[in-house]
Amino acid sequence: QSVLTQPPSASGTPGQRVTISCSGTSSNIGSNSVNWYQLLPGTAPRLLLYRNNQCPSGVPDRFSGSKSGTSASLAISGLQSEDEADYYCAAWDDSLKAWVFGGGTKLTVL
Amino acid sequence: QLVESGGGLVQPGGSLRLSCAASGFTFSSHWMTWVRQAPGKGLEWVATMNEDGSKKYYVDSVKGRFTVSRDNAKDSLFLQMNSLRVEDTAVYFCTRDDDNGWYHAYWGQGTLVTVSS
Repeated sequence: QSVLTQPPSASGTPGQRVTISCSGTSSNIGSNSVNWYQLLPGTAPRLLLYRNNQCPSGVPDRFSGSKSGTSASLAISGLQSEDEADYYCAAWDDSLKAWVFGGGTKLTVL
Repeated sequence: QLVESGGGLVQPGGSLRLSCAASGFTFSSHWMTWVRQAPGKGLEWVATMNEDGSKKYYVDSVKGRFTVSRDNAKDSLFLQMNSLRVEDTAVYFCTRDDDNGWYHAYWGQGTLVTVSS
């Protein structure tokens, strides 16, 4: 059971907008920023968003993030086939003194 | 670039030492982290260390068994894993952490550790 809660799956058609939620508590998301990671099969994980909504260089601006209270979300607009991957949220937990991850969301592009 | 090595097959109760060779950045200026992914499972944070090794954090399941260390002169991060259990089987990734450790900016390709009799 992961500390952060994500839906196990999400899907959309090309061009659609999809959102993935991440729910935590006051000691993690409620206190600290959220980062998002993308895992494509056979490749190293990639930082997608940091500090809730900041895009690293090289990440398309189709990816955006937000945070409110103890929840965060990742939005992907203009969905493309190459976006089919696993997505994870993460935050530092002040009580556990640990990084906590969501269980991951498998995104399928139909 | 981050390149992990040292993975392999080990029996329960055995030990392994993972290494992560860093290049292309000032290693001594960054927090570093180990994250693992068990087969068919999600990402799990394992351990984090600050720039000079004075701060170390571990997930509860590895405390007392795993030790993270670094050699800034050799741009290398290590994970000494003792008393290995079947549930430690996973691909282990090292990450470079940016913004004083507030996010895992770059990841290696990972090294597979299999604990089995």
